[in-house]
Amino acid sequence: GDSVTQMEGPVTLSEEAFLTINCTYTATGYPSLFWYVQYPGEGLQLLLKATKADDKGSNKGFEATYRKETTSFHLEKGSVQVSDSAVYFCALSPAANDYKLSFGAGTTVTVRA
Amino acid sequence: KAGVTQTPRYLIKTRGQQVTLSCSPISGHRSVSWYQQTPGQGLQFLFEYFSETQRNKGNFPGRFSGRQFSNSRSEMNVSTLELGDSALYLCASRITDTQYFGPGTRLTVL
Repeated sequence: GDSVTQMEGPVTLSEEAFLTINCTYTATGYPSLFWYVQYPGEGLQLLLKATKADDKGSNKGFEATYRKETTSFHLEKGSVQVSDSAVYFCALSPAANDYKLSFGAGTTVTVRA
Repeated sequence: KAGVTQTPRYLIKTRGQQVTLSCSPISGHRSVSWYQQTPGQGLQFLFEYFSETQRNKGNFPGRFSGRQFSNSRSEMNVSTLELGDSALYLCASRITDTQYFGPGTRLTVL
């Protein structure tokens, strides 16, 4: 079945450091890919998405490119802030008419001032 | 536009009881999905409703059920609660292929 694997955390960085969180997926067909972020005590917020190969999603300085050849959707940010401290989830939605999200285990990111 | 709202935000129940959680989707969204989040199992899909019909179901026992009303609001019910049902229950409403999540209901079973 469909699955998502993302790098295990926790990840601890200093402010203004470069962040990468690796995400790879297994799916039949052509899934849509998402990154969600969860702040303490809150639900999931959509960070960015990509719906087809070579699409790049971006938001709030975060970027991720849908790479079909490597089945990957790595999240990157060039200069993190303390406010980026959160848990990040990679997810896929299988195909048209099947919108069940499969999530990775989540990566906890802590940014120190 | 108002986001997805869930009530109550926190709930404490004892084993054997039942519980009903409520979700109001974003205005205009007709699809509502439910997910369970636990430290051990992560985020798992429970079910999806669209126009009052269950479209998809995850791998959960029959104690977990749901429904959707004509105004797209949804409820989720868990009967005969077990300790392992303690979790954050997240509701999401969908437009095209993108789901937007509510803040969740934190259920604690004692």
